[in-house]
Amino acid sequence: SSELTQDPAVSVALGQTVRITCQGDSLRSYYASWYQQKPGQAPVLVIYGKNNRPSGIPDRFSGSSSGNTASLTITGAQAEDEADYYCNSRDSSGNPWVFGGGTKLTVL
Amino acid sequence: QVQLQESGPGLVKPSGTLSLTCAVSGGSISSSNWWSWVRQPPGKGLEWIGEIYHSGSTNYNPSLKSRVTISVDKSKNQFSLKLSSVTAADTAVYYCARGHSSSWYWWFDPWGQGTLVTVSS
Repeated sequence: SSELTQDPAVSVALGQTVRITCQGDSLRSYYASWYQQKPGQAPVLVIYGKNNRPSGIPDRFSGSSSGNTASLTITGAQAEDEADYYCNSRDSSGNPWVFGGGTKLTVL
Repeated sequence: QVQLQESGPGLVKPSGTLSLTCAVSGGSISSSNWWSWVRQPPGKGLEWIGEIYHSGSTNYNPSLKSRVTISVDKSKNQFSLKLSSVTAADTAVYYCARGHSSSWYWWFDPWGQGTLVTVSS
């Protein structure tokens, strides 16, 4: 079955730009969606599709995709962006949905 | 806007059946969406369990398929999860979520707040 691979941890200095990546075969057929999860809270959608932000998500969050890799970019990271980030996509190879293992973002 | 709320026992005995319900408010479960269950063991990542459409069509994670049943109750605007033969490995926060699709775009929004289910005797 397909899997999505993320780096376990990434850090960024306050106000700088950080890219979180997600790799997997399913991304050749479907766009990734990205979720932010803070401790003790449910995941929140931050990016879906090619580069779509739900209402209320700051425009410093953006998404991109190339081949089997999707990326979430935070331009000008803020302290409140410190969280776990998960990618997710539909899959046609067996398991209809797959999640990445998550990336813990630390804002220094 | 649509809100989801999970409910059910927080403690289940080993070998028993975990049963949860997700109440949908602010919208209809008969809309053109798939409705999913996702779980997260303590300190670990997200795992998709399964989904249901209002027609009753279902899809399940192959790794859990033999133990999972998801059903819908349109009269109550809710859907439910049953997971049988549970072990300590099934201890997790269980979330319900609404799935959206548009061609190659698929995503979950919103999510319920989650409910912790512990498997222990």
